[in-house]
Amino acid sequence: GAVVSQHPSWVICKSGTSVKIECRSLDFQATTMFWYRQFPKQSLMLMATSNEGSKATYEQGVEKDKFLINHASLTLSTLTVTSAHPEDSSFYICSARTGSWDGEQFFGPGTRLTVL
Amino acid sequence: GEDVEQSLFLSVREGDSSVINCTYTDSSSTYLYWYKQEPGAGLQLLTYIFSNMDMKQDQRLTVLLNKKDKHLSLRIADTQTGDSAIYFCAETSGAGSYQLTFGKGTKLSVIP
Repeated sequence: GAVVSQHPSWVICKSGTSVKIECRSLDFQATTMFWYRQFPKQSLMLMATSNEGSKATYEQGVEKDKFLINHASLTLSTLTVTSAHPEDSSFYICSARTGSWDGEQFFGPGTRLTVL
Repeated sequence: GEDVEQSLFLSVREGDSSVINCTYTDSSSTYLYWYKQEPGAGLQLLTYIFSNMDMKQDQRLTVLLNKKDKHLSLRIADTQTGDSAIYFCAETSGAGSYQLTFGKGTKLSVIP
């Protein structure tokens, strides 16, 4: 089946540093990747939609200069949290769409970010 | 914006059936999904239903859709302790938009 990986699975960083999270589709080409953020006991909130080779589309309220998304290939998208602060601490989940049929997304295992 | 609502908690005894309910507001929803999330993990797609269907059964899982009332349910037969997780209802309107709108999730606790 379609597998999506994320790296790292967890990261702890100091306030003010930048953190990069990778999302890879391991056995399929992902035309579209999505980045979600999940707070404890909350639902997933879509942050941005990323299409290979083009700029990401950010949801309202998500700062594009703070959450940099690069989708350089059909198997890799990266999310960089710039100048991270404690309020950026969250569980970040990516998903990738195969395009094989309408709508199915495969989710990565998530990355737990803790900013001290 | 579009909204998806779920009850937050459900507790059942092992061997009983679990029914998790969801309501949505988007009348143009084309696909409706149920995802399972275990602690510290990503989401696993359990099943989905197309909006022109009323019911879909997949082994222990039964999805019922009442499009008129915009109500979706997931029934898990013979619930096991391994079914303990958070279950998310999600919808997409398709039509070139593949963005999912999620409910807050229902935490299912299975009592041995």
